[in-house]
Amino acid sequence: GENVEQHPSTLSVQEGDSAVIKCTYSDSASNYFPWYKQELGKRPQLIIDIRSNVGEKKDQRIAVTLNKTAKHFSLHITETQPEDSAVYFCAASPTGGGNKLTFGTGTQLKVEL
Amino acid sequence: DVKVTQSSRYLVKRTGEKVFLECVQDMDHENMFWYRQDPGLGLRLIYFSYDVKMKEKGDIPEGYSVSREKKERFSLILESASTNQTSMYLCASSPVLPTLGNEQFFGPGTRLTVL
Repeated sequence: GENVEQHPSTLSVQEGDSAVIKCTYSDSASNYFPWYKQELGKRPQLIIDIRSNVGEKKDQRIAVTLNKTAKHFSLHITETQPEDSAVYFCAASPTGGGNKLTFGTGTQLKVEL
Repeated sequence: DVKVTQSSRYLVKRTGEKVFLECVQDMDHENMFWYRQDPGLGLRLIYFSYDVKMKEKGDIPEGYSVSREKKERFSLILESASTNQTSMYLCASSPVLPTLGNEQFFGPGTRLTVL
């Protein structure tokens, strides 16, 4: 089955700096890669996703890049703000379309003033 | 707005008890999922269902079973609760067609403590 590794487990940045979280996956059949954000005490919510036919996708201050050959994908957050503090999970799915996801172990991002 | 609700936010049970966790979604989604969330381990899939009365094992199904008698409801059952099942349990739902989006919508979670 799919295995997703995520690094780092914790990340502390100064407000305004950029943050990068990296994930690798094992199943070359995976073709859908979402990122979820979970604020303290709240449910995970999708913030951005990418399919394997696209190398990069951007939405305001967040972007995701995908390298299919190397089987890794990354989340980039620019101009970080305190409200970006949360746990971020990457995931991979072999078929997309809401089918099952394999999640990474999460990254606790702390944005310091 | 998609709503996924779970029957309890907090639950305390004794070892050996049978435990039912209920999840209901109101968006007519075909797919439903049960995860457990533990610090440092992320979200791990226990069971999922693509349709009524259909179920498939996820990555950690041991000690759990599920029931999907109606499309909107997906139940997780701990037949004989053990202390190592103390965890946060999250339910999620999603549509099955890519044209309707791929997002999994999560419930608020049930924090289960087994004493």
